[in-house]
Amino acid sequence: QKEVEQNSGPLSVPEGAIASLNCTYSDRVSQSFFWYRQYSGKSPELIMSIYSNGDKEDGRFTAQLNKASQYVSLLIRDSQPSDSATYLCAIDTGRRALTFGSGTRLQVQP
Amino acid sequence: DVKVTQSSRYLVKRTGEKVFLECVQDMDHENMFWYRQDPGLGLRLIYFSYDVKMKEKGDIPEGYSVSREKKERFSLILESASTNQTSMYLCASSGTGYEQYFGPGTRLTVT
Repeated sequence: QKEVEQNSGPLSVPEGAIASLNCTYSDRVSQSFFWYRQYSGKSPELIMSIYSNGDKEDGRFTAQLNKASQYVSLLIRDSQPSDSATYLCAIDTGRRALTFGSGTRLQVQP
Repeated sequence: DVKVTQSSRYLVKRTGEKVFLECVQDMDHENMFWYRQDPGLGLRLIYFSYDVKMKEKGDIPEGYSVSREKKERFSLILESASTNQTSMYLCASSGTGYEQYFGPGTRLTVT
C-alpha cells in the first residue's frame, strides 16, 4: 500500500462549482499535512497546510483533516478555469522530509 | 518570499557524462531536498540535507550523489548519466517547519 493515495482523476467540475479532492495516508504518526498545486510544466506551489483535526479555510480553499480516519481533503469553492491543475497531497514522514501522493488532476470547465 | 533557484531550466547531456544540477535558496533554510518527477510516478525523493555537509538518502538514491558545502547551496550529481535518468528534477527547501518551497525545476534529457 502506498503511503499517500490520491485518485489520479481527471476530476472535472463546472465553473463555479465546489471541487473536492481527497487523500488518504497510511502513517499514523504523521502530524503535518500539505496541499500543493502544480500547473502543467511548472513546479509545485504550496497552497494549504493543516496540522489539527477539523477544517482550515483560506479564501476559496478549505482543508479538512481527520486523523482517526487517516484522510485529508481539499475543497475549492467557486472553482475557476485557472484552478485547473494537478493537486498534490503531502505528509510529513518524521524525518524532515515529505511524502507526496501522485496527484489529482482537476479540470474546471468554463 | 522564499526564493529557490535552479541552475538550468533545460539540460541535454549524453550517456556517461557527469552532470551537475545546482540549487540555491535565499531564506537561510536548514533543509534542502532533491526530487525527480516522472509521469505516473509522482515526486520521488532522491536525497536531502538537514545541515551543511550532512546528507540523507531518500527513496531512490542509486546513481546520484549530493554536495552541500554552503547552507544556501545544494548540488545533485549524476556521476555517469544514463537514459533512465531523463526526468524533471526539482529542488526544494524548508526551515524549521515542514513546509517545502520548490524551485522552477530542471528538465534533463540524457541521450
